[in-house]
Amino acid sequence: DAKTTQPPSMDCAEGRAANLPCNHSTISGNEYVYWYRQIHSQGPQYIIHGLKNNETNEMASLIITEDRKSSTLILPHATLRDTAVYYCIVRSANTGNQFYFGTGTSLTVIP
Amino acid sequence: DVKVTQSSRYLVKRTGEKVFLECVQDMDHENMFWYRQDPGLGLRLIYFSYDVKMKEKGDIPEGYSVSREKKERFSLILESASTNQTSMYLCASNPGQSYEQYFGPGTRLTVT
Repeated sequence: DAKTTQPPSMDCAEGRAANLPCNHSTISGNEYVYWYRQIHSQGPQYIIHGLKNNETNEMASLIITEDRKSSTLILPHATLRDTAVYYCIVRSANTGNQFYFGTGTSLTVIP
Repeated sequence: DVKVTQSSRYLVKRTGEKVFLECVQDMDHENMFWYRQDPGLGLRLIYFSYDVKMKEKGDIPEGYSVSREKKERFSLILESASTNQTSMYLCASNPGQSYEQYFGPGTRLTVT
C-alpha cells in the first residue's frame, strides 16, 4: 500500500471549513483513498473513501487531485465535536484486509 | 448502523494472568480484526478472521491467540499477560475485503 503524508496538527475555528491535506505521491491505479477519524479514547470512525472522483457524504467531502497524488478532506462547518485525529489511508482492495493507520493529523476545533 | 461492541472499556490485569477480550458485531460481517494502538506506532494488526473458526496472523501475533466460534464474536486471548501488552485494543469488522472497517470503542488494558 502507498505511503501517506499528513501534517501532524491543525487548528480550525468553529463554524469554518476544515481542510485536511494528504499526500500520497506513490499511489497506484487500483488504490483507494480512505479517511477515518479517532476521537480521544474511542475507536476509529470511517468517514469517506474514493478512487478518482470527488466524493461527498453527510460527514465530509473528499477532493482528489487529477493526478491522484494528493487529496483533501473537507469538513464544511467544523464543530467542537470534530476535534479528533484524522487518518488518511491508501489501500488496494487486493492487498488483504488490513488498514495501515499512520499517525494522522490532530485537528483541534477552536471555539 | 453497524455496531461493534467490546466487553470492557478499561481492564487492569496482573502479569501472568490469562486475559480474554471479547468483541461482538451485529451486522453479519464475514471479517473481524484485532488491533492494538500505541502512541507513536499507530494501529497494528494482531490477528484477523475471515470466517468462523478461521484465523490469520497479522503483523504482531506473538503473545496472543484468537477464537472465532460464532460469526458475530471474535475473542482475543493473552495467554500470559505481560507489561508490554499494556495498550489500547481495538476490534473491527467488515463484510468483505474491499470494504471499510467498522471499529469498536476499544479496551484500554493495563498489565501491572
